[in-house]
Amino acid sequence: GAGVSQSPRYKVAKRGQDVALRCDPISGHVSLFWYQQALGQGPEFLTYFQNEAQLDKSGLPSDRFFAERPEGSVSTLKIQRTQQEDSAVYLCASSSREGGNQPQHFGDGTRLSIL
Amino acid sequence: QKEVEQDPGPLSVPEGAIVSLNCTYSNSAFQYFMWYRQYSRKGPELLMYTYSSGNKEDGRFTAQVDKSSKYISLFIRDSQPSDSATYLCATVRSQGNLIFGKGTKLSVKP
Repeated sequence: GAGVSQSPRYKVAKRGQDVALRCDPISGHVSLFWYQQALGQGPEFLTYFQNEAQLDKSGLPSDRFFAERPEGSVSTLKIQRTQQEDSAVYLCASSSREGGNQPQHFGDGTRLSIL
Repeated sequence: QKEVEQDPGPLSVPEGAIVSLNCTYSNSAFQYFMWYRQYSRKGPELLMYTYSSGNKEDGRFTAQVDKSSKYISLFIRDSQPSDSATYLCATVRSQGNLIFGKGTKLSVKP
């Protein structure tokens, strides 16, 4: 596709449920990032993949958060036993090569609300 | 102290005004600086991308980096109502993950 695609756009879940958020990066992009954006804040880094390898997961807030990219393209962010503080917009970004100097292109995010 | 500080505003200007948006950062090792624009319920869109100190111009937008004072700026000339959005400054760690400011909400009134 032309850009980064995320689904679902909106997700409502009850506290304690598990959720899965999907990211389709730009075709051929090596690097994939997940960010969490709380209301009125800038995005905050969660985790980073280079192809299928998860090279940095230092931003994941707890062991309830898990991300994978098994074939080096589509990625899934899973949150187990959701809590109200998990309510946020989850953004995915991709870039064409590894390294800190490559522009990142963002999807429109998944807006997660935990009741 | 957060690594990137940005005044969240909001900032309201009349159409045609020059807009100045600013951020400061704490780590002198940062080399790359970006400005993203984010419309409501959309993802951030890359506007400007600069390396080290200096100015970069693209149409009505100018990005400025002053590494000596750890200060980054975005100027918008002849502002339009369509420029109304949240503007996010960002820098990047060596492994590639971005560090964002809080974002400044800009409103350009016709």
